[in-house]
Amino acid sequence: GDSVTQMEGPVTLSEEAFLTINCTYTATGYPSLFWYVQYPGEGLQLLLKATKADDKGSNKGFEATYRKETTSFHLEKGSVQVSDSAVYFCALFLPSGGYQKVTFGIGTKLQVIP
Amino acid sequence: DTGVSQNPRHKITKRGQNVTFRCDPISEHNRLYWYRQTLGQGPEFLTYFQNEAQLEKSRLLSDRFSAERPKGSFSTLEIQRTEQGDSAMYLCASSLLLGLDYNEQFFGPGTRLTVL
Repeated sequence: GDSVTQMEGPVTLSEEAFLTINCTYTATGYPSLFWYVQYPGEGLQLLLKATKADDKGSNKGFEATYRKETTSFHLEKGSVQVSDSAVYFCALFLPSGGYQKVTFGIGTKLQVIP
Repeated sequence: DTGVSQNPRHKITKRGQNVTFRCDPISEHNRLYWYRQTLGQGPEFLTYFQNEAQLEKSRLLSDRFSAERPKGSFSTLEIQRTEQGDSAMYLCASSLLLGLDYNEQFFGPGTRLTVL
């Protein structure tokens, strides 16, 4: 079945450090790929998305490129801030007769220290 | 703020008791989803509704679980005869059906269930 594998956390970085959170996927077909973020005490929010190979999603300084050849969608940010501390989920979506199921990875907790 | 709301936010119950959670989606959204999230895991799909019709149920949704969306607005998720393994965060999300492409799901803050 479809699945998403992402690096386990927690990831602890100093402010202004470079961030990479790895994500790879397995899917039959051509999924859309997403990164969701969950801040403490809040619901998941869509951070960025890419719907086809070589697309780059970006938002709030975060970027991820859909790499079909390596089935990856790694999340990057050039300079993290304390406010970026959250749990980040990689996810995929494959339409199937209108079925809107999203498959999530386990989440990677990011802690940014001043 | 007219986002997705869930009540209660926390529920502690004893094994064997029944519990019911409520989700109020964004008002114009016609699709509503339930997910379960256990510690250290990502959300796992349970079921979804389009308007009042329940269109899909996961194998995770045992016969002790029932979900309803009677008027196509709010939804309830009931768990009967709770077990300790039911302890988890139950997430609700809603979206507006625009076609077969992904329609962004907006998540509520979740209801955390603890079964003693």
